[in-house]
Amino acid sequence: NAGVTQTPKFRILKIGQSMTLQCTQDMNHNYMYWYRQDPGMGLKLIYYSVGAGITDKGEVPNGYNVSRSTTEDFPLRLELAAPSQTSVYFCAGGGLYNEQFFGPGTRLTVL
Amino acid sequence: TQLLEQSPQFLSIQEGENLTVYCNSSSVFSSLQWYRQEPGEGPVLLVTVVTGGEVKKLKRLTFQFGDARKDSSLHITAAQPGDTGLYLCAGKGTSQGNLIFGKGTKLSVKP
Repeated sequence: NAGVTQTPKFRILKIGQSMTLQCTQDMNHNYMYWYRQDPGMGLKLIYYSVGAGITDKGEVPNGYNVSRSTTEDFPLRLELAAPSQTSVYFCAGGGLYNEQFFGPGTRLTVL
Repeated sequence: TQLLEQSPQFLSIQEGENLTVYCNSSSVFSSLQWYRQEPGEGPVLLVTVVTGGEVKKLKRLTFQFGDARKDSSLHITAAQPGDTGLYLCAGKGTSQGNLIFGKGTKLSVKP
């Protein structure tokens, strides 16, 4: 099993551009999460999903959107990139006790 | 809002030394997890503790959940350079469904 995979690994965007961060899991997790990690700030939850077709906002959802059409895929969409969205983004699958299985991350820079 | 405070923020020690890092809150958590994150990678789950007073051992790592389920500690015996990384604690609240992450302790073990 590959676990949780994320693409791309790195990306540079200009202000106002849009992009989709891809996340795929083969662990059959119902729960999936998107976090952003900024230096010294820990992990902040952006959006989460409890199953296909169901998504909900986390702590910092503004400027982002998600969809969950299948159990395997949970893409994160940035519509109008802003410098404040420069961060490292992690997707995770959730286990029975909310344990998180993280992907390798996408490092995004908005200039 | 539930918060998890981790201390110390940074720790630099020599190989062979022992160390303890802490994760504290004023709130009660139904379970608590510890993760280790290496540079450029996603966090990896080390352990989940669910019972007040619980102690779990993972080779040279000992994890303890406080009796009141408000705090936890991670003790490393005879630290090795391979222990270097960011240690994150994460708690699941008694009423909310998502994890709350601390900001982490950055450990450096020098040979």
